[in-house]
Amino acid sequence: AQKVTQAQTEISVVEKEDVTLDCVYETRDTTYYLFWYKQPPSGELVFLIRRNSFDEQNEISGRYSWNFQKSTSSFNFTITASQVVDSAVYFCALSLAGYQLIWGAGTKLIIKP
Amino acid sequence: DADVTQTPRNRITKTGKRIMLECSQTKGHDRMYWYRQDPGLGLRLIYYSFDVKDINKGEISDGYSVSRQAQAKFSLSLESAIPNQTALYFCATSEQESSYNEQFFGPGTRLTVL
Repeated sequence: AQKVTQAQTEISVVEKEDVTLDCVYETRDTTYYLFWYKQPPSGELVFLIRRNSFDEQNEISGRYSWNFQKSTSSFNFTITASQVVDSAVYFCALSLAGYQLIWGAGTKLIIKP
Repeated sequence: DADVTQTPRNRITKTGKRIMLECSQTKGHDRMYWYRQDPGLGLRLIYYSFDVKDINKGEISDGYSVSRQAQAKFSLSLESAIPNQTALYFCATSEQESSYNEQFFGPGTRLTVL
C-alpha cells in the first residue's frame, strides 16, 4: 500500500528555535518522488522541494534543509532559526509512476514571537 | 498573471443547489486535477484528466462531476450540494511527459454548503 504519514499534527515553537517536521512514506515502487509543500494561512499551496528516490543527498536552501533516508523511508524537513513567517501547514507528498500524488495529512507549524 | 486560476475563490451555497467551480491554466499542460482538502486529511483526488477527451475518477468522485472543455479549462460540478462537501477545493496541472509529476496548484476555492 502507498501511504504518507506525518505523525505531528501540530508543532508550536518560539521564534529562532530549530524545528523538524517528520515524513514517513510507504511504497513498493523503486522509482518515486517526494515533495514538500507549504500552505500559509492565505491558503495557497507553495512548492518547496522535489526529491527522487535515487538521490539521497541532503538538500539545504537557506534556513530550510531536507534529510532523505531510504533506509527508514523518511523525508524530514528542518527549519533552522524559525521565523513567524514560517507559520503554515506543511505537507509531504509521494509521487509514483503515472499521475498519482499521495498526500500526508499535514503538520501545522506555529511559530510564536 | 497566475498560471492556474480558479473561480470563484469563495462560495456559500445551500443544500441541494448545483454548483460549478472553474479552473483555467496558461501553463500549456495536458493534465489537470481536482482535489479536495479537509482539515486533518490532506488533499484527496476527486477527478483527473490527461487530455481533453480523457476523464478519470479519483479517490472520492461520488457526488461530483467534471467537464474538460478545452486543454486549458477543467470544471468541477456538484449536482446537488450537501453540507459535507464544505471544503477547500484545489485545481492542479502537470505536464504530460513529466516523470516526477510535479503539480502546479491554483489558489483554491473555499466552498461552504449550508
